[in-house]
Amino acid sequence: AQRVTQPEKLLSVFKGAPVELKCNYSYSGSPELFWYVQYSRQRLQLLLRHISRESIKGFTADLNKGETSFHLKKPFAQEEDSAMYYCALSISPDSWGKLQFGAGTQVVVTP
Amino acid sequence: EADIYQTPRYLVIGTGKKITLECSQTMGHDKMYWYQQDPGMELHLIHYSYGVNSTEKGDLSSESTVSRIRTEHFPLTLESARPSHTSQYLCASSRPGTVYEQYFGPGTRLTVT
Repeated sequence: AQRVTQPEKLLSVFKGAPVELKCNYSYSGSPELFWYVQYSRQRLQLLLRHISRESIKGFTADLNKGETSFHLKKPFAQEEDSAMYYCALSISPDSWGKLQFGAGTQVVVTP
Repeated sequence: EADIYQTPRYLVIGTGKKITLECSQTMGHDKMYWYQQDPGMELHLIHYSYGVNSTEKGDLSSESTVSRIRTEHFPLTLESARPSHTSQYLCASSRPGTVYEQYFGPGTRLTVT
């Protein structure tokens, strides 16, 4: 069965320090991977998807099929990055948009 | 304004009561989803729908049921609430042609006493 693992429940970093959130997945086919974010008192929202190869709010994520990973990185963390981050996997093409979520990583950026 | 709405936001109810959690979206999306999330845990898909009159059970078994009589409306019902149903319920939708990006509602936090 497909699975998404986020090994860190909590990540505490100082402002200006690099931050990396780990995400590993188990799926033998061609995955579609996403990072979703939930800021305090806000709803869950899409941060970025691997297929777009984009940088959003300074965050990037590279899909490594050999290591089955999709780690999220930012070189200089900001206080507004404090949030809950979820890695999600969609198994295309017949998944009907269903997503498998990891347990999430709480990021706390301290000044 | 195009959005996805969930009501109520918070519900405390006694065991054995029938409850319906409402989810509506004004974005014209065809696919809709219900997730259940316990604190500190991952979101689990419990129901999804491709469109009107189409519903499927998700990966996590749930005693709840859903209906999709109108495109914009996807309510979830528990016939007899139990303390084990205490959780947060998130509704989401995705637009045609881009099935992977899901838009989430604010959630309903349910407590069954």
